[in-house]
This record gives sequence, C-alpha cells and structure tokens, in this order.
Amino acid sequence: AQRVTQPEKLLSVFKGAPVELKCNYSYSGSPELFWYVQYSRQRLQLLLRHISRESIKGFTADLNKGETSFHLKKPFAQEEDSAMYYCALSAYMEYGNKLVFGAGTILRVKS
Amino acid sequence: EAQVTQNPRYLITVTGKKLTVTCSQNMNHEYMSWYRQDPGLGLRQIYYSMNVEVTDKGDVPEGYKVSRKEKRNFPLILESPSPNQTSLYFCASRSGTAGEQYFGPGTRLTVT
Repeated sequence: AQRVTQPEKLLSVFKGAPVELKCNYSYSGSPELFWYVQYSRQRLQLLLRHISRESIKGFTADLNKGETSFHLKKPFAQEEDSAMYYCALSAYMEYGNKLVFGAGTILRVKS
Repeated sequence: EAQVTQNPRYLITVTGKKLTVTCSQNMNHEYMSWYRQDPGLGLRQIYYSMNVEVTDKGDVPEGYKVSRKEKRNFPLILESPSPNQTSLYFCASRSGTAGEQYFGPGTRLTVT
C-alpha cells in the first residue's frame, strides 16, 4: 500500500541555518511526489513537484528512488518559511491518481 | 480568479444535527476531494469524485456523504455529526489525474 512518512512533527531552526524536511515513501509503482505548504491561516498550496526539478522560494527536493526519499531542502532558512509542510505521493488508482499525504512537519524559523 | 471556495468557514454545532459544507470550484476541474486535517494525522481523504455523478470513498468515509450533481460543486454532508468529527476540513480540486491540486480555505467544524 502507498504511504508517506514525515518523521518530524516539528523542526525548529535559526534564521540562516540550513533546513531539511524529511519525507520517505512506500509505493510499488513509479512515484510522483510533491511538497505542499500551508502558511498560517492560509490554504494549502503546491510548493514543488519532483518532475519539474525546479527551485521554489529557495527550496529544492530530489527524488531518491534507492532510499525512497524526497527530502525538502533549503540552504538558508528565512522567518517567512515558517509553515506546515506536507509531502504527498500521487498513487495510481483504478479511477485516477490519488494524493496520499504525510502527517506534516511544522517548520519554525527563529530569529 | 481561479479558486476553490468553501462555506461556512467556521461552524459550531451539536451532536446529531445534520449539516452540509459546500464546496465550489470555477476551474472546470473533473476531480474533487474532501480531506480532514487533524494534528499528528495530517490530511486524510474522506471522499473523492472523478466527475459528475461519480464518487468514491477515501480513507475515512464513515459518517460522511457527498454528492456531485454538477461539475463545479461537491458538498460534504454530515447526517448525524459526532464530536469525533470535530476537525478542519478542506475541499480540493484538480484537472485530470495528475494536475496540481487546488485547495479551499478550510472549514473549522466543532461538534459538541
């Protein structure tokens, strides 16, 4: 069965420090992975997807199929990065793809 | 503006009193979903719909109903709410099977 694991409920870093939000997945097919972000009092929004291989707001994520991971990284954290981050896997179902979310990680960037 | 809207945004109700949370999208998306967000559990899918009149259960469908009579609307119905349905609910839509998923602003429901 498909599963997404985010082992950290809370990650607290100082401004300017590197950030790595961990995500591991379990899926028998070819995975399509996403990171969604939810800023305080705002709706969830897509941050990035692995197939686009782009950097958004300084964040990058590389799919490692050998380690079944899709960790989100940023070299220098900023206070405005504080938010809830969800890793998600698009899993093929009979009637279309289903997004399976991890439990989420709260990122707190301290000044 | 392309968006997903939900109403109401906040709702406090009592056990057993039927309620409906509406969801509407203006992007002509085929695929719509309802999720609940609970601390430590992340987002769990309640129901989803692939198109008009096509719906199916997600991971936590017990106690909920949905309908999809029009493409743009996907209401969530709680026939007899219970306190364990106190949660933050999100509606979402996307085009096709692998497009970006757009979320509504959320509905915070409290059942006493």
